Amino acid sequence: KQEVTQIPAALSVPEGENLVLNCSFTDSAIYNLQWFRQDPGKGLTSLLLIQSSQREQTSGRLNASLDKSSGRSTLYIAASQPGDSATYLCAVRGSSGSARQLTFGSGTQLTVLP
Amino acid sequence: DVKVTQSSRYLVKRTGEKVFLECVQDMDHENMFWYRQDPGLGLRLIYFSYDVKMKEKGDIPEGYSVSREKKERFSLILESASTNQTSMYLCASSRFGDPQHFGDGTRLSIL
Repeated sequence: KQEVTQIPAALSVPEGENLVLNCSFTDSAIYNLQWFRQDPGKGLTSLLLIQSSQREQTSGRLNASLDKSSGRSTLYIAASQPGDSATYLCAVRGSSGSARQLTFGSGTQLTVLP
Repeated sequence: DVKVTQSSRYLVKRTGEKVFLECVQDMDHENMFWYRQDPGLGLRLIYFSYDVKMKEKGDIPEGYSVSREKKERFSLILESASTNQTSMYLCASSRFGDPQHFGDGTRLSIL
């Protein structure tokens, strides 16, 4: 059964820093990996989706990488801002049968201090 | 923009009640999902549907049922609510292989 782990559970950085959030998964037979952002009391907003054949995706100040063979993904946030404060979740989609649904990590709660 | 609308942001019910949570999407997506989110446990899939009248169990279906009579609407039903079903419930929709789009969630309290 796929397991997704995100470390650290919480991170606090000063404004302007570049930072990296980590995600690891146990089964490399994935279809894609998705990064989400969740603000307190709200639903999830999709940030980036990386297909299993891709190595990275970029959107603005965000860059997500995928190393399927080692079961790792990173989300890089450049020049962090207080508005980036939120919980970031990664989710992996399996490649076959009942594994096609998303398996989520528990998230990293990011605080960017002004 | 994709819009996934959940009928209630906050809901308070009593144990033993039958509870309906509604979700509507406006992008003609084939796939719809119901999750619950609990501190320390993350998001867990309850049920999902790949087509009208079709449903499949997720990781934690016990105590829940679903209904998908129309493509745009996916309902989650708590047959007899219990206090351990107090949680944040999130609905999502997607096309096959595409990102899932989430609603704002329903915070359900069972007293």
